[in-house]
Amino acid sequence: SQQGEEDPQALSIQEGENATMNCSYKTSINNLQWYRQNSGRGLVHLILIRSNEREKHSGRLRVTLDTSKKSSSLLITASRAADTASYFCATSAGSYQLTFGKGTKLSVIP
Amino acid sequence: GAVVSQHPSWVICKSGTSVKIECRSLDFQATTMFWYRQFPKQSLMLMATSNEGSKATYEQGVEKDKFLINHASLTLSTLTVTSAHPEDSSFYICSARAHLSTDTQYFGPGTRLTVL
Repeated sequence: SQQGEEDPQALSIQEGENATMNCSYKTSINNLQWYRQNSGRGLVHLILIRSNEREKHSGRLRVTLDTSKKSSSLLITASRAADTASYFCATSAGSYQLTFGKGTKLSVIP
Repeated sequence: GAVVSQHPSWVICKSGTSVKIECRSLDFQATTMFWYRQFPKQSLMLMATSNEGSKATYEQGVEKDKFLINHASLTLSTLTVTSAHPEDSSFYICSARAHLSTDTQYFGPGTRLTVL
């Protein structure tokens, strides 16, 4: 069963603006990962944050994790048209299996 | 590094035929591979976990006789959809967990299956 729930389901912004996506989950986790999927393509791993970490950066990406609220956020700064894609969070609870959320579809308008 | 390929990228078949999809880790050894199914505009649903040299572990509701998985080597896993029906049409994605890495999965580009 799916654990993660992203919101919003869809997000449309202008190029240059920041995009924030949220993910909530239900059970305890070892880590949480964010992936990007371009339409009809496979998933690209963006960033992994462990349960004992609160914030992580990678380029224009910033991920936060609040285990007390069982939630995570992905911030993409200075968005570009090429950032247009669906973004999924996925949680791992120790068995190496990933449980994916429903995803946020991001559209960046040039 | 950490590239996973899938073949074919798309396939169209007649109802009742079987289709084999290959998943290969190109530059690393993968002790564990995962098969997912994704319906249009939906998330990925894990179908099964495949460990090299052993039987796959299927998720609840996934018919193991319908979706045959073979993980014969550290770089290759195959998913065979047997006696395919139109409701099996979907996007199938594999991922591989590197031998020395416990957390990150590397995903293939997916295979679009259309059953007529």
